[in-house]
Amino acid sequence: DAKTTQPPSMDCAEGRAANLPCNHSTISGNEYVYWYRQIHSQGPQYIIHGLKNNETNEMASLIITEDRKSSTLILPHATLRDTAVYYCIVSARAGGTSYGKLTFGQGTILTVHP
Amino acid sequence: NAGVMQNPRHLVRRRGQEARLRCSPMKGHSHVYWYRQLPEEGLKFMVYLQKENIIDESGMPKERFSAEFPKEGPSILRIQQVVRGDSAAYFCASSPAMAQTYEQYFGPGTRLTVT
Repeated sequence: DAKTTQPPSMDCAEGRAANLPCNHSTISGNEYVYWYRQIHSQGPQYIIHGLKNNETNEMASLIITEDRKSSTLILPHATLRDTAVYYCIVSARAGGTSYGKLTFGQGTILTVHP
Repeated sequence: NAGVMQNPRHLVRRRGQEARLRCSPMKGHSHVYWYRQLPEEGLKFMVYLQKENIIDESGMPKERFSAEFPKEGPSILRIQQVVRGDSAAYFCASSPAMAQTYEQYFGPGTRLTVT
């Protein structure tokens, strides 16, 4: 699986957009970008994933650059409950040799301030 | 629609005892994954199972650890002769059969403390 690089920590004011970057310069054509978060020792929570097109769901938006070497997770209106560790994970689709295994890095600690 | 269930939520064992951690996947999910999070460390993959089959156990310690997902009942992660270094949070996740992508849904975890 391709390696990802994320800033160790970020701050955001409540109500503002939180933009979390991720570099994955060695991503290959069959690899997806996934985002999970872990709120204070709870089980990780799936947020969103994408292959090459931008994606949006009720939680967040995912912007992937055209060369797919980096992406940004956007929380449009951050709340205090969004304070968590955010993980960017790159992994192959089903059938790949690493299918089933999520490799978590250190992630970005996002702190949302009042 | 109940999520992934894990029990017990907290487990205390003395060194040398056995620990059994249970995971019931979401309804309709037949793939189960176990991860371990040591104190102040990231999540590490341990094992991936489908019903009655171990698909990938590359993250399992070679000794004392085993996992199963029987045809009926929950998945079990078993740790024999626990040592203090086994103290960690153990998370289970599940995904649907024939899932093409990695949307894994995690349970609340079991916190194992070895005294």
